[in-house]
Amino acid sequence: QSVLTQPPSVSAAPGQKVTISCSGSSSNIGNNYVAWYQQLPGTAPRLLIYDNNHRPSGIPDRFSGSKSGTSATLGITGLQAGDEADYYCGTWDDSLSAGVFGGGTKLTVL
Amino acid sequence: QVRLQESGPGLVKPSETLSLTCTVSGGSISGYYWSWIRQPPGKGLDWIAYMYSGGSTNYNPSLKSRVTISVDTSKNQFSLKLSSVTAADTAVYYCARGRGGDRYYYFDYWGLGSLVTVSS
Repeated sequence: QSVLTQPPSVSAAPGQKVTISCSGSSSNIGNNYVAWYQQLPGTAPRLLIYDNNHRPSGIPDRFSGSKSGTSATLGITGLQAGDEADYYCGTWDDSLSAGVFGGGTKLTVL
Repeated sequence: QVRLQESGPGLVKPSETLSLTCTVSGGSISGYYWSWIRQPPGKGLDWIAYMYSGGSTNYNPSLKSRVTISVDTSKNQFSLKLSSVTAADTAVYYCARGRGGDRYYYFDYWGLGSLVTVSS
């Protein structure tokens, strides 16, 4: 059971937009910045978004992040076949004094 | 370009100690939260621990009694030891560079991962 809650799967057609939610509590998302990671099949995770809505160098602006209260959202526009991957949200939990992740969401591009 | 590379045995016997080392190249080891994260086969990410280059540590409460993490700044390496392993500790183990501070903690560089199987 993950501390942060994500939908197990989402899907959309190429070119469309998809959003992935991440729900937490006041001790994690509610009080700390959120990061998002992309894990392509058979590879290590890659940082997509940090500090709720900042993209590292090299990440296209098709990827965006937002946060409201105890929830965060990853948005992906102009979906491509190469976006098929597992996506994870992560942050710090003040009560646990530990890093925490969501259970991951598998994105399928139809 | 910062690179991280895990190394260590791929097979560990039950009740023994898992030991992994992460070698950092292309950047300084100072000023970061050097972290370990694992992923059981077919499952999600599980944070294990971090050690700040200055020496402070933090451990996953569920693993705290079995985990030791250390940093060797002279070799640009950091290490993980997990004692009394069981089959439940079988996973791909990732080392990662953590960025942390006031209300933020994320991983900007990851190793490729090292599969460790616990089996007799």
